[in-house]
Order: sequence, then structure tokens, then C-alpha cells
Amino acid sequence: QSALTQPRSVSGSPGQSVTISCTGTSSDVGGYNYVSWYQQHPGKAPKFMIYDVSKRPSGVPDRFSGSKSGNTASLTISGLQAEDEADYYCYSYAGSFTWVFGGGTKLTVL
Amino acid sequence: QVQLVESGGGVVQPGTSLRLSCAASGFTFSSHSMHWVRQTPGKGLEWVAIIFSHGANDYYADSVKGRFSISRDNSNNAVYLQMNSLRAEDTAVYYCARDYTDHWTVDYWGQGTLVTVSS
Repeated sequence: QSALTQPRSVSGSPGQSVTISCTGTSSDVGGYNYVSWYQQHPGKAPKFMIYDVSKRPSGVPDRFSGSKSGNTASLTISGLQAEDEADYYCYSYAGSFTWVFGGGTKLTVL
Repeated sequence: QVQLVESGGGVVQPGTSLRLSCAASGFTFSSHSMHWVRQTPGKGLEWVAIIFSHGANDYYADSVKGRFSISRDNSNNAVYLQMNSLRAEDTAVYYCARDYTDHWTVDYWGQGTLVTVSS
């Protein structure tokens, strides 16, 4: 149950696109199409942004998209806006009814 | 609308016990498995435990196995986390979260309750 690997921080200017990676193993990210992403603003609970690798819950803007290749999942945010500045966490099913999070990435909108 | 409200957090000494509660509303509670997830400043988010909708099965992270126990009361729409033999490293904000059925993830989260283990 080792944490998935995410970059500590990423940044981008308004209107640009950024991609956050999430690297696991064949026992979690690579083994299942059950990767989710959460957005968390300071002092708030995480917000559900992506599930099943690339699906968006209702209400999440289509600027947010997810993908996966092998053991690495990615979250791309296009058309960056100031309110996108937050921490982002990936989350994967890891088999045997266990789950694992990434370490989190701080997105700064310059 | 879905609401999850945690309670029971506080400051406790190492080796003692604490029971967290989560009151659910706005959905058919008995149809969803429920999770506990915790967040520490140093380690980020960590999945802790799941209990199935019927309450007959539960699973735990290695870090809490044998010390924590998850349970639920479907008649009162509540889920609990009994935490025994608490350690300093259990200090965290504890969230209850609803399982997103058939998608092996969680969708709704409570606001969390802070547990501090310190002598």
C-alpha cells in the first residue's frame, strides 16, 4: 500500500494547460481502470473531479480531463482559471478491497 | 442533497481509544458502502477502511489493521470508526466518504473531524 507518486507542485498562467501525473504500479493504477482525481482547496474537503480514469461527474467543467497509459494516470486542466489553484490528489483501487492515494500536487495559477 | 457529518474527534493520549461517528442524509444509506479516509499534514490523504452496504464485510489499511474497527447502523444512517491503541501517527483529520457504487471510488465527503494523539 505505497502511495502513488505525484509531482509536489505544478504551475501555469491563466488560459494555459497543465498536466499532473500519477505513477503507480501494475497492482494499482496499471491493473485497474479505477483511477479518480480530487481537488482540495485549503480547509475544505476533497471534491470529486474524475472517475474511471477519464469520466467527469456532473457539474465538473470539461476543462478537466483524465487519461492513463500503463502505470501512469494524468489529469489535464485546460484554460486555467484562478479558482483552479488547489491541491490535486489521484486515487486508485489497489485490489483486495484496498485503495491508495497519491501524495498530492499543489497547482499554482501564476 | 448528500450530507455527511463527522463527529467525535478530539485530543487523546497515546494508547487510548476514540470512537468517531458519521451521520448520513440525502441518499439511501443502506445501498452504499462507506469509507473512512484520513489526512495528515505530512502524508496527505490515506484510505483507512471500508464497510459494505450490508455491514457484513469490512477491510482496512495495513497501518490500522487490528487497531481500528469500522461499523454501521443502517437503521440510523450512521457509520462509525472505533480507534484503539492510538499512536501519535494517527493524528489526522478523519473524513467519512460515500462509496460510488460500481466505480471503486468515493464521491461525497464529509467536512472531517480532527483527531490529535498527544501526551
